[in-house]
Amino acid sequence: EAQVTQNPRYLITVTGKKLTVTCSQNMNHEYMSWYRQDPGLGLRQIYYSMNVEVTDKGDVPEGYKVSRKEKRNFPLILESPSPNQTSLYFCASSLSTGGGYTFGSGTRLTVV
Amino acid sequence: AQSVTQLGSHVSVSEGALVLLRCNYSSSVPPYLFWYVQYPNQGLQLLLKYTSAATLVKGINGFEAEFKKSETSFHLTKPSAHMSDAAEYFCAVRGSSNDYKLSFGAGTTVTVRA
Repeated sequence: EAQVTQNPRYLITVTGKKLTVTCSQNMNHEYMSWYRQDPGLGLRQIYYSMNVEVTDKGDVPEGYKVSRKEKRNFPLILESPSPNQTSLYFCASSLSTGGGYTFGSGTRLTVV
Repeated sequence: AQSVTQLGSHVSVSEGALVLLRCNYSSSVPPYLFWYVQYPNQGLQLLLKYTSAATLVKGINGFEAEFKKSETSFHLTKPSAHMSDAAEYFCAVRGSSNDYKLSFGAGTTVTVRA
């Protein structure tokens, strides 16, 4: 089944403790992206990647890092999480030909 | 840069009534436009997309949207609401096939009254 898989689905952590949210897609998509969803703000792009080893900042990149060492994987790294990073995070992927993104099921992160 | 504005953060309709969700876009190039639906505790599912072919686009679950360039709009409609349509709906825009960024509206939550 074609899908984007994120892990974990739920995560509670403490301020300053490094964490990684994994994302993997099995559709051979070139583009991958991370979004965060907050009430009343819709989805905002954090980082994106056009292909292996090519990444760039989205609208809200502060406090996040990403890497794209393999085409299928695009992990999101929070080096020192803070409470304002409490949010619902989505990974998504897309072909390069103008279609929409396929989204993962989301990771609900709480930073206390 | 591309952006979308969704008019109305909440819409309440009776079962069997018309569902109309409004979306206006801003784009410096011919846009690709999308509607996504998010059911509680789930990810986003693509309802339909406009990619410069027919201006009236049919999607899943009986939804359709019409691209109107003169009004810069891409409103989503469904003739007869069903209880299962209760969800949050997002309009999104992508500038071109080389523009990987999908920009979202703030979302519209639909409730369906029995």
